Amino acid sequence: NAGVTQTPKFRILKIGQSMTLQCTQDMNHNYMYWYRQDPGMGLKLIYYSVGAGITDKGEVPNGYNVSRSTTEDFPLRLELAAPSQTSVYFCASRAPGDTGELFFGEGSRLTVL
Amino acid sequence: GDSVTQMEGPVTLSEEAFLTINCTYTATGYPSLFWYVQYPGEGLQLLLKATKADDKGSNKGFEATYRKETTSFHLEKGSVQVSDSAVYFCALSERADSWGKLQFGAGTQVVVTP
Repeated sequence: NAGVTQTPKFRILKIGQSMTLQCTQDMNHNYMYWYRQDPGMGLKLIYYSVGAGITDKGEVPNGYNVSRSTTEDFPLRLELAAPSQTSVYFCASRAPGDTGELFFGEGSRLTVL
Repeated sequence: GDSVTQMEGPVTLSEEAFLTINCTYTATGYPSLFWYVQYPGEGLQLLLKATKADDKGSNKGFEATYRKETTSFHLEKGSVQVSDSAVYFCALSERADSWGKLQFGAGTQVVVTP
C-alpha cells in the first residue's frame, strides 16, 4: 500500500518556467489537498478537491492551477515560476466522514532561481 | 478567521526530559484539534486528535487535552527519546467545514539529545 506518492522529490526551476507536481493516492480517498510549507510559516493550503472534477481554491492559490480528472490523481501546475514559489509542497488525502486524519506524501522540494 | 499559534522552537531537551509544546487557537465554531508530527525528510503524520471539549488525545506516550475555556491544546510527553526529534504541528478543522480543511500552526522543532 503506497499511500500518497509525490513526484518529483526535488526540482530546480528557472524564473518563468512551468512544471507540474504529480500526486497519486491509492486509498480511494475523495478529498485531496495541496499545501506549501515555508520555513517558520507552517503549512498553507493552495488548492483542494472533494472529488473528480471538483476543485476549489485554498488560502494561497495565486500562481498555481490544479485538475482532478480521476480519484487517484491531483496534479499541481506552476505557471511562470517565481522565486516566491520556492517551497516544499505536500499533497495529502483523506476519506470523507473521517475526522481530520490527512495522509501526506513525502513532499516535493522546489527551488526557483 | 481561524488561526493556530504554537510556541516557537527549536526546543532542545535531554533524553528522558519532560516535553510541553503550547498550542492555542482561535476559531469561530467548534473545531476538532490535532497534533501532527514530521520526522526529518518525511511528510506529516497524525500523532493524536480530540474532537470536543475535555477530550484527551493520546498516542506513543504523547497527550493533549482539548481545553475550550482556555482555547488550548498543549502537547505533553513525560519522558522523551532521541527518536522524538521532529517538528510538531498543531492544527484545527472546523466541524462546519465539511471539506475537512486543516489550519496549521507554524510548527515547533524538537531536538532531543542523548
